[in-house]
Amino acid sequence: EVQLVQSGAEVKKPGESLKISCGGSGYRFTNYWIAWVRQMPGKGLEWMGIVHPGDSDTTYSPSFQGQVTISVDKSINTAHLQWRSLKASDTAIYYCARCPTSLTRPYYNFYFDVWGKGTTVTVSS
Amino acid sequence: EIVLTQSPATLSLSPGERATLSCRASQSVSNYLAWYQQKPGQAPRLLIYDASSRAVGIPARFRGSGSGTDFTLTISSLEPDDYAVYYCQLRSSWPGIFTFGPGTKVDIK
Repeated sequence: EVQLVQSGAEVKKPGESLKISCGGSGYRFTNYWIAWVRQMPGKGLEWMGIVHPGDSDTTYSPSFQGQVTISVDKSINTAHLQWRSLKASDTAIYYCARCPTSLTRPYYNFYFDVWGKGTTVTVSS
Repeated sequence: EIVLTQSPATLSLSPGERATLSCRASQSVSNYLAWYQQKPGQAPRLLIYDASSRAVGIPARFRGSGSGTDFTLTISSLEPDDYAVYYCQLRSSWPGIFTFGPGTKVDIK
């Protein structure tokens, strides 16, 4: 079964750092891109960025560039999303999602076919 | 930046009725539009990609149509499991930025 398994809920204080993870199984991890999507409480979906597990090629949404870091460790089929200094406004559910590759630039497709269950991040003093 | 608008914001319908959800892009996106369903407490699920192709395991009552700037998701006969929020989504050609619409909530009348 194709799955994206995300790490557990986190409760952090403002200013703390955090790294959450998304592990892929049931498919060849390096054949698909992994994206991160934020959903703030009661709100819609926002794309944050995308990474290719094979070569770590990464594209960020302009809204999130410089605010987070997306990385991948292909040796353990896992992608990461990290913050250096959390803010209360980072409180949200973070989903990872799989994106098929494309033969044309930017070499990822137009949709997300498999999603993780989400990681809830709460930032509060 | 391409903006997506979804209408209506909320659609109140009874089981068995037909649901018609609209998604409009601020500029042409050819047929590169996807639809997702999200139920409370769950992750989004891909329903439709490339405007009209159903994802694996999606029932035939879900139909996507449209191209260019105007797209429609039609649920031919609502079942109890279909009450959810539906998002449309696109990706710009270059530099490959993804955008989601604000969503349409389908609730029980």
